[in-house]
Amino acid sequence: AQSVAQPEDQVNVAEGNPLTVKCTYSVSGNPYLFWYVQYPNRGLQFLLKYITGDNLVKGSYGFEAEFNKSQTSFHLKKPSALVSDSALYFCAVRDIGIPGGYQKVTFGIGTKLQVIP
Amino acid sequence: DAGITQSPRHKVTETGTPVTLRCHQTENHRYMYWYRQDPGHGLRLIHYSYGVKDTDKGEVSDGYSVSRSKTEDFLLTLESATSSQTSVYFCAIRPDRRNTEAFFGQGTRLTVV
Repeated sequence: AQSVAQPEDQVNVAEGNPLTVKCTYSVSGNPYLFWYVQYPNRGLQFLLKYITGDNLVKGSYGFEAEFNKSQTSFHLKKPSALVSDSALYFCAVRDIGIPGGYQKVTFGIGTKLQVIP
Repeated sequence: DAGITQSPRHKVTETGTPVTLRCHQTENHRYMYWYRQDPGHGLRLIHYSYGVKDTDKGEVSDGYSVSRSKTEDFLLTLESATSSQTSVYFCAIRPDRRNTEAFFGQGTRLTVV
């Protein structure tokens, strides 16, 4: 069974500082990995994804994520946090090794990012 | 929100009553999904559809049914609402079943009293 862990319920960071939101995953085969952001009273918005290739993936709003196969991690990063980055962040994984039909996406429970002015 | 409209946005209903939530998309995408979001659980898949009249169960399908009679509409019905179904419900679409991300509606907040 595949799973996603987001070990931190909340991450606090000062505006202008770098931020990291952690995600580790477990799949039987090779993963597709995603990050989504949710602002209050809104649906999830896609930020970035890792499918294959370069381990450093760049996405929307200056975010990037690093895929580390040996550590089964896909941490979300940004060099300089903005107050407007404050939101709920979800990591998600799909196992590309399961053929046919619906290819299940498993979401983490979310990490609340608070950027302090 | 990628042409996805959920209705209603908010609903309060009584235990034991049936409730139907609607998801409407304007992009003619084949794959549609219903999730529920609860604190401590993230998003969990209720049902999904891979075409008109083609639906299947997700991981938390008990007490829910779905229908898709047209490409653009995916309905979620709580057959007899219970307090445990108080949640925020999200509809999502996926352009194809390969490596693409999902696009989410704005959600429906359902309270069962």
